[in-house]
Amino acid sequence: AQSVTQLDSQVPVFEEAPVELRCNYSSSVSVYLFWYVQYPNQGLQLLLKYLSGSTLVKGINGFEAEFNKSQTSFHLRKPSVHISDTAEYFCAVSDRGGSEKLVFGKGTKLTVNP
Amino acid sequence: DTGVSQDPRHKITKRGQNVTFRCDPISEHNRLYWYRQTLGQGPEFLTYFQNEAQLEKSRLLSDRFSAERPKGSFSTLEIQRTEQGDSAMYLCASSPRGGPQHFGDGTRLSIL
Repeated sequence: AQSVTQLDSQVPVFEEAPVELRCNYSSSVSVYLFWYVQYPNQGLQLLLKYLSGSTLVKGINGFEAEFNKSQTSFHLRKPSVHISDTAEYFCAVSDRGGSEKLVFGKGTKLTVNP
Repeated sequence: DTGVSQDPRHKITKRGQNVTFRCDPISEHNRLYWYRQTLGQGPEFLTYFQNEAQLEKSRLLSDRFSAERPKGSFSTLEIQRTEQGDSAMYLCASSPRGGPQHFGDGTRLSIL
């Protein structure tokens, strides 16, 4: 079984500041890793994914994440945030080759202030 | 690619009534998933179809819940004898095998 821990439930930052949203996972099998963003009253939009290969993955809207196998982490970063980045961010894992169902963390609410 | 479509967007019903939600996946995706999201939580897996076959169900899916995907296209999720605890956002996602899941905007269910 897999589990995901998002270490911060809320992260307030000022516009144009850098941000890091932390994610740690636990799994007994190889996994895929994902970050999704959710705006109010909407579904989830895929930001980026790690399937294999380079441990630094780049996604949409200037976000990137780094897979660290030894620390079982997949932290999300953006060097300069905008007001429009205010949203809920979810880290998720799925097993490889099975149902590939997603196991989500509880989410991190990112609030970007002017 | 028109995306994953869910209907209705909102459903308000009285406790004890039956409700049915519909999900239309991206047409070339053979995998379809249902999740439930309660306030302040991440989505939780309910069930998964590959084509028309329902291959996995979560323990969260009590016997009041049933899901179908006839002909491997759209899917329906029915909840019978709704309870207060069923109030949540119900999300549908689809994917090709080995590909990322694409989500619809969800159906928000409110039980009075």
